[in-house]
Amino acid sequence: QKEVEQNSGPLSVPEGAIASLNCTYSDRGSQSFFWYRQYSGKSPELIMFIYSNGDKEDGRFTAQLNKASQYVSLLIRDSQPSDSATYLCAVRNAGNMLTFGGGTRLMVKP
Amino acid sequence: KAGVTQTPRYLIKTRGQQVTLSCSPISGHRSVSWYQQTPGQGLQFLFEYFSETQRNKGNFPGRFSGRQFSNSRSEMNVSTLELGDSALYLCASRTQGDGYTFGSGTRLTVV
Repeated sequence: QKEVEQNSGPLSVPEGAIASLNCTYSDRGSQSFFWYRQYSGKSPELIMFIYSNGDKEDGRFTAQLNKASQYVSLLIRDSQPSDSATYLCAVRNAGNMLTFGGGTRLMVKP
Repeated sequence: KAGVTQTPRYLIKTRGQQVTLSCSPISGHRSVSWYQQTPGQGLQFLFEYFSETQRNKGNFPGRFSGRQFSNSRSEMNVSTLELGDSALYLCASRTQGDGYTFGSGTRLTVV
């Protein structure tokens, strides 16, 4: 069983809408959680990371963490066509390695 | 500041050969990790180095090895290449309390 799960999508949202991306993880010892964006043929680009339960906002992006439910999400407000990419959730454990989910493909339609 | 630099960007090798990939982390970053990305398996952790010491290793055969130098630059080596080693190899560096920043990757094709 994969340790970090994401819906592969595609998730399609209209321009200007809120995109909601979700991720669940199995290791309760996980310490920090990362969201990356990856355009086709490019390397992952760090969007933001979160350590504590609750919300963390950075511009149009909000990460939400619920350790009790082992759930982390990313909200993208005012979605733009340029946000169309694959979004990767990654979890860091005590061993200091990142375990990635399979990614969710987001399509923002003009 | 300069990002994570990986060289070469593209590489074509023949089965049975060996290959060495290079990674220069962001200045001041002492932790360097390597990942393999394939369409079928996604992103998988290879190993992590910190201050010239391998701290963690993923579930890859011994053909995959690495090292880190005193200036934090890192290399990974794959010996006896197999077709299945064709992948994007990514290096990431980080500093305490920060996220992992990835380089542009080296795309290895084994023929």
